[in-house]
Amino acid sequence: QSVLTQPPSVSEAPRQRVTISCSGSSSNIGNNAVNWYQQLPGKAPKLLIYYNNLLPSGVSDRFSGSKSGTSASLAISGLQSEDEADYYCAAWDDSLNGYVFGTGTKVTVL
Amino acid sequence: QVHLVESGGGVVQPGGSLRLSCAASGFTFSSYGMHWVRQAPGKGLEGVAFIKYDGNTKYYAESVKGRFTISRDNSNNTLYLQMNSLRIDDTAVYFCAKVFGSRHDYWGQGALVIVSS
Repeated sequence: QSVLTQPPSVSEAPRQRVTISCSGSSSNIGNNAVNWYQQLPGKAPKLLIYYNNLLPSGVSDRFSGSKSGTSASLAISGLQSEDEADYYCAAWDDSLNGYVFGTGTKVTVL
Repeated sequence: QVHLVESGGGVVQPGGSLRLSCAASGFTFSSYGMHWVRQAPGKGLEGVAFIKYDGNTKYYAESVKGRFTISRDNSNNTLYLQMNSLRIDDTAVYFCAKVFGSRHDYWGQGALVIVSS
């Protein structure tokens, strides 16, 4: 079972902005970097944001990340149909001694 | 560029065994930790087993401890996951991922494991 909690789904119209929350605890988000992954239907996950707010090369700057305390969030601005995917937050958990993923959020572009 | 290719998936009966392989190329395999992550049908991602660059440190999810073994062959750039005493709830797509710092920067395409009688 996931220890990082995300909303199951979010939806918004094209060109709008959505935010996905990720709630954890002091043993994971509170003490470690948060990464975000995008998983398009039928594909492998892809790194989207690392170290809370950094973009890997090639990732659109419409994506941004932030972290505060034991929570993190991913924002997608200028929403496009190609952004329809599942999004997962993730972080190392010091108590579990393992890498934990969020419950996942499905983004739908209306 | 970086390539990770999983193989060894298939259909196995409950209680059976399977070994997954992940062939790595395009980077210095012996310098990076590697992670097996699985995804049950219609479900989210679950970290299964992690191994540090030199193979001396390994971490396992509670759900697979004592049944799965992660290993690596740095001379052949290959990661393995030996899965024993398989259960129906081990049915999933298994991804191998390269770990850089705390992030999974490259993923394989996945290998499907179906545990069914």
